[in-house]
Amino acid sequence: AQSVTQLGSHVSVSEGALVLLRCNYSSSVPPYLFWYVQYPNQGLQLLLKYTSAATLVKGINGFEAEFKKSETSFHLTKPSAHMSDAAEYFCAVKRSGAGSYQLTFGKGTKLSVIP
Amino acid sequence: GAGVSQSPRYKVAKRGQDVALRCDPISGHVSLFWYQQALGQGPEFLTYFQNEAQLDKSGLPSDRFFAERPEGSVSTLKIQRTQQEDSAVYLCASSEQDSNQPQHFGDGTRLSIL
Repeated sequence: AQSVTQLGSHVSVSEGALVLLRCNYSSSVPPYLFWYVQYPNQGLQLLLKYTSAATLVKGINGFEAEFKKSETSFHLTKPSAHMSDAAEYFCAVKRSGAGSYQLTFGKGTKLSVIP
Repeated sequence: GAGVSQSPRYKVAKRGQDVALRCDPISGHVSLFWYQQALGQGPEFLTYFQNEAQLDKSGLPSDRFFAERPEGSVSTLKIQRTQQEDSAVYLCASSEQDSNQPQHFGDGTRLSIL
């Protein structure tokens, strides 16, 4: 079984400041990890994914995340927040390997950007 | 279209009524998923299709929930005798057959049960 914990249901940053959204996972086998963003009244858009290649993953809109096995973490960062980054962010985990398909999501972190 | 399309976007029903939610996946995508997202929560898995075969329905909350994908493309999620606790956003996602490929989500159907 796998699970995801996102620390902080709500994070506020100033425009231009560092964005750090935390995600810790639990998985009995090597996981695949994902970050999705959800804007109001919209579905989820994939930001980036880790599938056992490079541990530092770069995604869209300037976001990146680092897989740290020793810390079972996959935190999302962006060096400089933009107003358009205000949204809800979800971390998700999936078992690696053939036949694995089900995503398990965290509860989400709502990011507010202060002008 | 280029993305996953869901209809209707909003559905209001009275308790006890039956509802049907439609998902049109990305063309050529073999895998199709339904998730339920309650207010303030992350999506939770309901069911999974590979082509027309429903391979996993372990997340369906009760036997009032039924999903089908008869021709391996469009899928319908049906909820019978709706209850207030069924109020949520229902998200559909599709992906290529390779399990390494990401799931692409539609904008969801917001279901409100009065």
